[in-house]
Amino acid sequence: GNSVTQMEGPVTLSEEAFLTINCTYTATGYPSLFWYVQYPGEGLQLLLKATKADDKGSNKGFEATYRKETTSFHLEKGSVQVSDSAVYFCALSHPNTGNQFYFGTGTSLTVIP
Amino acid sequence: DGGITQSPKYLFRKEGQNVTLSCEQNLNHDAMYWYRQDPGQGLRLIYYSQIVNDFQKGDIAEGYSVSREKKESFPLTVTSAQKNPTAFYLCASSTPRASKIAANTGELFFGEGSRLTVL
Repeated sequence: GNSVTQMEGPVTLSEEAFLTINCTYTATGYPSLFWYVQYPGEGLQLLLKATKADDKGSNKGFEATYRKETTSFHLEKGSVQVSDSAVYFCALSHPNTGNQFYFGTGTSLTVIP
Repeated sequence: DGGITQSPKYLFRKEGQNVTLSCEQNLNHDAMYWYRQDPGQGLRLIYYSQIVNDFQKGDIAEGYSVSREKKESFPLTVTSAQKNPTAFYLCASSTPRASKIAANTGELFFGEGSRLTVL
């Protein structure tokens, strides 16, 4: 079946450090892949997405590349800010399974000044 | 502006009471979803609906009920049968991605959430 596994947290970084949050998936064919961000007390917001192999999603300095050969969609940012402190969720959806979404367990990021 | 509105944002319930959480969307989306989020955990699917007057159980439907009488609305009732209802509830909607429509990624749009506390 479809599933997503992402790096467990919490992750604590100093401001301007490099961020990587690992995400791997299990699915047949070509699912769509997403990163969502959740700020405290709020709902989830779409951060970036990719729909086919080798696509790179990017937004607000974050990037993730759809790697079919390694079934991965790792989230990266070259220089994090305090305002990036949030919980990050990796997710996939697939039309062959009714477009159901499968979420990872979330990775909490805290950026300290 | 288009979006998803959940209400109330905070809700307190006594044991044995049913409560209903509202979810309204004006995005013209076909599919709507309810998720439950507990501290330190991911999202767990409660119920989902792909079209009006139809809905399916998710992974943790016991103790919950829903209705989908209108495309814009998907209320969730937390019944007294739900043994541990204290949680953060998230409503979402999407236009499902069709295999032949590459431009439509079928992303989920979320409301701001409703926090339910049982006293």
